[in-house]
Amino acid sequence: LAKTTQPISMDSYEGQEVNITCSHNNIATNDYITWYQQFPSQGPRFIIQGYKTKVTNEVASLFIPADRKSSTLSLPRVSLSDTAVYYCPLAGGGSTLGRLYFGRGTQLTVWP
Amino acid sequence: DVKVTQSSRYLVKRTGEKVFLECVQDMDHENMFWYRQDPGLGLRLIYFSYDVKMKEKGDIPEGYSVSREKKERFSLILESASTNQTSMYLCASSPSGTGIGQPQHFGDGTRLSIL
Repeated sequence: LAKTTQPISMDSYEGQEVNITCSHNNIATNDYITWYQQFPSQGPRFIIQGYKTKVTNEVASLFIPADRKSSTLSLPRVSLSDTAVYYCPLAGGGSTLGRLYFGRGTQLTVWP
Repeated sequence: DVKVTQSSRYLVKRTGEKVFLECVQDMDHENMFWYRQDPGLGLRLIYFSYDVKMKEKGDIPEGYSVSREKKERFSLILESASTNQTSMYLCASSPSGTGIGQPQHFGDGTRLSIL
């Protein structure tokens, strides 16, 4: 599985839009890009996933350029409750049996 | 909603003990996973299973074994616990196959301390 690289930490203020970028230069053709959120003392929670272009749900948007070597998670108008660690593991197709490589994640801190 | 339940939130054991961590999921998922999470290292995969009685090594299997006798239950075993196995352990499950629509669902973890 291709590994991913993210910034270790980011800071924002309430009400701002936050964009977290993930680099995955060795992404395979069958890989999907997924994002998870983790609060302290809880397991990670799935947020969004995509293969290419843009995906939007009620929580976030995911932007994937044509070469798929990076992706950007966009959180609109963050609040204090969005303070968490965000991971961007790739979900491998075919023989990888659904396993993910989580990496170290990005600690997002939202300030009042 | 998918429910993944880990038997203990906190556990304290002694060096050399045999330790069992239990995980149960209620959504009939084929795949189950055990991770450990340490500060600054993210989540690292220990073992996973894609069917009953089947298991595959992850990235850090040394010192661990697993058991999957029933589809809904996946156990992590520390054969002889050591202090470097003090960590947060997370269990997850997912449906068979990969890609779109099949995210992993996690329990809330077991914080294990080995003294």
